[in-house]
Amino acid sequence: DAKTTQPNSMESNEEEPVHLPCNHSTISGTDYIHWYRQLPSQGPEYVIHGLTSNVNNRMASLAIAEDRKSSTLILHRATLRDAAVYYCILRDVQGAQKLVFGQGTRLTINP
Amino acid sequence: DSGVTQTPKHLITATGQRVTLRCSPRSGDLSVYWYQQSLDQGLQFLIQYYNGEERAKGNILERFSAQQFPDLHSELNLSSLELGDSALYFCASSMGPTNSPLHFGNGTRLTVT
Repeated sequence: DAKTTQPNSMESNEEEPVHLPCNHSTISGTDYIHWYRQLPSQGPEYVIHGLTSNVNNRMASLAIAEDRKSSTLILHRATLRDAAVYYCILRDVQGAQKLVFGQGTRLTINP
Repeated sequence: DSGVTQTPKHLITATGQRVTLRCSPRSGDLSVYWYQQSLDQGLQFLIQYYNGEERAKGNILERFSAQQFPDLHSELNLSSLELGDSALYFCASSMGPTNSPLHFGNGTRLTVT
């Protein structure tokens, strides 16, 4: 499984944008970039995914570098509820569909 | 609410015992995944089923087994329990086998004493 690298922790302020980086230099052509988050005492929650183009949904935006070796999850206006561990995961759609979680980034939001 | 139901929420048992964790997937989802989360290991993939058949296996111990039934619910059986098996066990489901997102339940917290 291709590996991703994320900062261990990040901090931001409420109502400000947050940019969560992820490096995946060994990504293959069939790997989709997925983001999940885990709020305290809950199971992981799907956030967004993409292959090559930038993606937007109601939760966040995903910006993918042109060479696909890195990506950034963007929370446009952070709330206290966005405090969670964010996982960037590469998912090979040609193989098994399992997700392999790394250590993720613990995001703290200050009021 | 993800639509994935896990029971029980909490389980306390002694070393050497056997327990069964149950998962009901979201309506319409055919794939079920099991994950273990402990403080020192993070989220570890255990096993995946698709429409009753085993599809992928991760770091699942031989003392652990799972199955997916015709009604698509799944059970994870843990036997000869050890203190180190204490963890949160999550079940997830997806439409599968596609790139569709996984939807996780809120987990079963297992404590082995």
